[in-house]
Amino acid sequence: AQSVAQPEDQVNVAEGNPLTVKCTYSVSGNPYLFWYVQYPNRGLQFLLKYITGDNLVKGSYGFEAEFNKSQTSFHLKKPSALVSDSALYFCAVRDMKGDSNYQLIWGAGTKLIIKP
Amino acid sequence: DSGVTQTPKHLITATGQRVTLRCSPRSGDLSVYWYQQSLDQGLQFLIQYYNGEERAKGNILERFSAQQFPDLHSELNLSSLELGDSALYFCASSAHGQGAGEQYFGPGTRLTVT
Repeated sequence: AQSVAQPEDQVNVAEGNPLTVKCTYSVSGNPYLFWYVQYPNRGLQFLLKYITGDNLVKGSYGFEAEFNKSQTSFHLKKPSALVSDSALYFCAVRDMKGDSNYQLIWGAGTKLIIKP
Repeated sequence: DSGVTQTPKHLITATGQRVTLRCSPRSGDLSVYWYQQSLDQGLQFLIQYYNGEERAKGNILERFSAQQFPDLHSELNLSSLELGDSALYFCASSAHGQGAGEQYFGPGTRLTVT
């Protein structure tokens, strides 16, 4: 069965430090992987996705994510955190095996807190 | 602004009642998704429509139903409401229906059942 795990409910980082938000997945075939961000009282916003190709994907607001097939991970990273990056981050996956399952499977979310 | 609109923004109603949430997708998007976000259960996928037809079904209760109209707007109907239905309901849209593209989320409807 498909699943996504975000092992940390909350990540605390000092402003200016690098940040990592972890995501691991389990699918039968090749995955499509996504990161979304949710600011307080807002809908989710797309950050980046991995479909195929280069394992390092660059996205919005200076974020990037690295696809690691052997570790089945897709961690979100940013070299230097900003206070404005504080938000809730969701990882999602779609299993590309078969044609009948179109829905994304979502992680539980990780709250990122950047302290000045 | 994602281009996805949802109405109403807030809704307060009593247990046992029925409500309808409305969503207009981004111009040109054929797929509409509905999600429920609550504090204890995170983001739950409810249902997806693609060009008027149901494409995928998630954890949607039998008391809930949805449809997508010819102009591509969608409505989520919640009936026999219970206190536990209080949540944020998001609509999202995407260009296609096969899960390869990013989804664009509306601002949500906050439903409070008293």
